[in-house]
Parts: sequence; C-alpha cells; structure tokens
Amino acid sequence: DAGVIQSPRHEVTEMGQEVTLRCKPISGHNSLFWYRQTMMRGLELLIYFNNNVPIDDSGMPEDRFSAKMPNASFSTLKIQPSEPRDSAVYFCASSPREVLGRNEQFFGPGTRLTVL
Amino acid sequence: QKEVEQDPGPLSVPEGAIVSLNCTYSNSAFQYFMWYRQYSRKGPELLMYTYSSGNKEDGRFTAQVDKSSKYISLFIRDSQPSDSATYLCATGKTSYDKVIFGPGTSLSVIP
Repeated sequence: DAGVIQSPRHEVTEMGQEVTLRCKPISGHNSLFWYRQTMMRGLELLIYFNNNVPIDDSGMPEDRFSAKMPNASFSTLKIQPSEPRDSAVYFCASSPREVLGRNEQFFGPGTRLTVL
Repeated sequence: QKEVEQDPGPLSVPEGAIVSLNCTYSNSAFQYFMWYRQYSRKGPELLMYTYSSGNKEDGRFTAQVDKSSKYISLFIRDSQPSDSATYLCATGKTSYDKVIFGPGTSLSVIP
C-alpha cells in the first residue's frame, strides 16, 4: 500500500497566486482530513470529509481557502489568493471510519508551502 | 482556553532515561485518547490509542488516562536516540470523527 499521497511536496509561490494542494487517500478509507501545521499554532484541522461529503469546515481560516473531494480517491485544497501567512506544512490524512474500530488517521508526507 | 494543552518543551534526556510526557484537556466528553509521534519533516504516526480511563502498555511505551483530572500521560522506558521526535497527544469524542491535537512536545534523547 502506498499510503496517503500528497503533491506537490514543496511549493513556493508569490503572494496573490492561486495554490492547489492534492491528496490521494488510502484506498478503502472513508474519511479524509486536511490539516495545517505551523510552529506557532501546531497542527490545526481545516476540514474533514466522510464519504466525500464535507462534515466540518469550521477550521478553514477564510474564504480564500476551499476544499473539494470529487470522489473517494482524490481531494484538493485550494488557496486563492495566497498570502505569506499561509506559509505552513499542509497534511492530508485518511481514516477507515469504522464505527467499532480505532480509526487511526494515516498522514501523508505533507506539502511545505512558502508564500513570498 | 485551548481544548488540549501540552508543554512544548524542548525536552532533552540521556539515553536510557524514563521520559514522561503530559497533556491536559478541557472537554469531559472526550473518550478517545491517542499519542502520535512525528519525526522531523514527516507526517504524524499513531503510537498509542486508548479508550476512557486507565493504562495501556506497548513495549517501552505506556499511555495513561485520568478522566477525573482530564490528564493524559505517555511514559517511555529505556529511551533511545530513535525516540527523538515530537509527540502529539490527541483526543476525540468518538472513534470515527475529528480529533483535537495538542501542540506537541519536542523530545531529544542524547546518546
């Protein structure tokens, strides 16, 4: 199993540009999570999906952020326009969402975003 | 008040020492408690998983939950340099929805 796949691994862009981060969850997992990690704020949940449906997007910081999950094997997180304060490591995680299981979240390697 | 609080460290110990990492949480509805380990420039990975109060042991690692005081602990026995990482506690109300992560404690085990 390849695990959670994220692309790109690194992204450097200029303020005002659109940024799209991509995630492929582990096959068979029903839940997908987008997190942002910074030194100051730690690991913050931005949004999560169950069965491709957004369940909680209360962590999305602003309207500049949007996330989609068009099918069970793909999700995107878009920032438009990007700002320097968006610089962080963005993680995608997936989980099997079994009612009686422990539902470990498996994290991808992250995308390191730098907005100049 | 943050939902999960954790001393960020950094914590530096000699090889072989016993390490104690701690978290507190605010919501009494939290039932599931986890410890994730994150190596530098990697994603977090689940280390320990417990439900409700009590202890759970896995090799050199012991997780302890005291729901009455809303206190979570992770003990590492005979610490090794390979244990050097950031440890994040996490908790949630159900096993299949979102979890809340603490800010993490950075640990260095010195040979």
